[in-house]
Amino acid sequence: AQSVSQHNHHVILSEAASLELGCNYSYGGTVNLFWYVQYPGQHLQLLLKYFSGDPLVKGIKGFEAEFIKSKFSFNLRKPSVQWSDTAEYFCAVNAPYNQGGKLIFGQGTELSVKP
Amino acid sequence: DGGITQSPKYLFRKEGQNVTLSCEQNLNHDAMYWYRQDPGQGLRLIYYSQIVNDFQKGDIAEGYSVSREKKESFPLTVTSAQKNPTAFYLCASSTAATDTQYFGPGTRLTVL
Repeated sequence: AQSVSQHNHHVILSEAASLELGCNYSYGGTVNLFWYVQYPGQHLQLLLKYFSGDPLVKGIKGFEAEFIKSKFSFNLRKPSVQWSDTAEYFCAVNAPYNQGGKLIFGQGTELSVKP
Repeated sequence: DGGITQSPKYLFRKEGQNVTLSCEQNLNHDAMYWYRQDPGQGLRLIYYSQIVNDFQKGDIAEGYSVSREKKESFPLTVTSAQKNPTAFYLCASSTAATDTQYFGPGTRLTVL
């Protein structure tokens, strides 16, 4: 069965600390990979995505993620977090659009950054 | 402004009543999706539609119904058959060109 697993449910960091959120997926075909972020009281927003090519992708607000095909992983990183990064982060995979394009989400990781 | 709108933001209903959640987009996207978000469970797909007058069940379709009479609109009805309807409901849309889903602000439904 298709699934996405996020390693941490709640992460607490101090400002300027480095961040890495783990994501592993199980899917039997070609996948697109996404990280979404949900700031308190705001829309779910796209942080970054990987479809093909360079496995290191850069997103908004200094975030990046690395696709490691052999490990079925797509971990999210940021070298130095800020208080404004406090949010819930979701990893997701989808089948290509011509196969329905359905997104499968991980459980989410709540990030709290202490000022 | 282009985007996805969902209304209302908060909705309260009594147990046993059907309720319809609105989702409209002016992005000219072909596909639209409904997800349910519960704490600690991420988002789960309820229904999706890639063309007008056609839609498919997602992973948790029981107790829900949808229609897609217009490209711009994809309303979701939460019926009395849904055993645990209190949740945050998110609508999304996408197009083949980007294959990326964009989300509306959500509707928080509370059934009393």
